[in-house]
Amino acid sequence: DAGVIQSPRHEVTEMGQEVTLRCKPISGHDYLFWYRQTMMRGLELLIYFNNNVPIDDSGMPEDRFSAKMPNASFSTLKIQPSEPRDSAVYFCASSLRSQTEAFFGQGTRLTVV
Amino acid sequence: AQKVTQAQTEISVVEKEDVTLDCVYETRDTTYYLFWYKQPPSGELVFLIRRNSFDEQNEISGRYSWNFQKSTSSFNFTITASQVVDSAVYFCALSERNFGNEKLTFGTGTRLTIIP
Repeated sequence: DAGVIQSPRHEVTEMGQEVTLRCKPISGHDYLFWYRQTMMRGLELLIYFNNNVPIDDSGMPEDRFSAKMPNASFSTLKIQPSEPRDSAVYFCASSLRSQTEAFFGQGTRLTVV
Repeated sequence: AQKVTQAQTEISVVEKEDVTLDCVYETRDTTYYLFWYKQPPSGELVFLIRRNSFDEQNEISGRYSWNFQKSTSSFNFTITASQVVDSAVYFCALSERNFGNEKLTFGTGTRLTIIP
């Protein structure tokens, strides 16, 4: 398996624009996680899915953030409208079962100017 | 509430020295899991180890070893005979399960620099 695949790897956008980050988890994994990493706040869990169902979105910072998982092999994280403080590295991760190790994608570095 | 503390923000050692990265956690659960991840300069997060709360045996994998002590709520990571390739940020993480809700909380990380 190729591992967790995220796209794009880098995204530069202007404030106010919509941004969509994409993730393909490892096949057969039941859990999918979206994390954000910043210098100030470290690694934060934004939302996670179990069998395509969102379980906990309490980490989503604002209504500007939304995430979907329409099927077992694809998830999106959308920011609309984007703001400079959303600049961060966004990681997607998947795990086989509950409380097993999560495998991370290479991340999307988002810069909002 | 759960919390993971990595008090060492940055560590530098000379190549071939041994180094220990500390991790202290807090949880009310009796069943939980602990993890270590490595984030090299390239940015990806690499899984290193998973340990459940019922298994206090130390583990060794090559130059890496882990010391889990429930009595002190610690899960420390030692690199023996360090190499330049070990330079990275290392994260300790805790997973517990509350009412079917799974939480994985990361520490703030320790930046390890191996000086050649």
